[in-house]
Amino acid sequence: SQTIHQWPATLVQPVGSPLSLECTVEGTSNPNLYWYRQAAGRGLQLLFYSVGIGQISSEVPQNLSASRPQDRQFILSSKKLLLSDSGFYLCAWSTGGLTEAFFGQGTRLTVV
Amino acid sequence: GDSVTQMEGPVTLSEEAFLTINCTYTATGYPSLFWYVQYPGEGLQLLLKATKADDKGSNKGFEATYRKETTSFHLEKGSVQVSDSAVYFCALYVGSTLGRLYFGRGTQLTVWP
Repeated sequence: SQTIHQWPATLVQPVGSPLSLECTVEGTSNPNLYWYRQAAGRGLQLLFYSVGIGQISSEVPQNLSASRPQDRQFILSSKKLLLSDSGFYLCAWSTGGLTEAFFGQGTRLTVV
Repeated sequence: GDSVTQMEGPVTLSEEAFLTINCTYTATGYPSLFWYVQYPGEGLQLLLKATKADDKGSNKGFEATYRKETTSFHLEKGSVQVSDSAVYFCALYVGSTLGRLYFGRGTQLTVWP
């Protein structure tokens, strides 16, 4: 069966520090991978998506970047965090538009 | 650009009331449409889906019909229960290979006994 792992669950980082959130998927190959930020009242904002290794598309300009070094690994990064980067980040995978997306448990990031 | 517009909440209903949560979309091509639900303290999970015009998705008493002419995918349930209290998200998948999956803002539903 397929599983998705996202870590850490919570993170408190000072302003200006780097960030690396990791997401891995097991039990499937060549998934579509997604990073979202969930904010109260604003739903899920699509940040990045990837349809293959090394293929990253960004939806909104921001202080974050994403990479996909392996087929089932998706990393969200920042060189220098801002206060506004605080939020709840979700990783998800799917096999395309005919099937559902599966979500990780999320990471609560607080930038102080 | 592609997007989903979902009615704002919160929505508060008494048990056995009729529920409608409106969702409209803007998309190029022929998107797939979904409703996801997030119960308190849990992650998002698929509630129902429709992948082409006039399809009706259904699950757990909830239904939604893919209306291309009105670009809508409204969620309905004839008789809600307290256990339906959750946040509901409408979602849109664009492009068979491009892979963009957009969500609406979410609608908080609270059902009172």
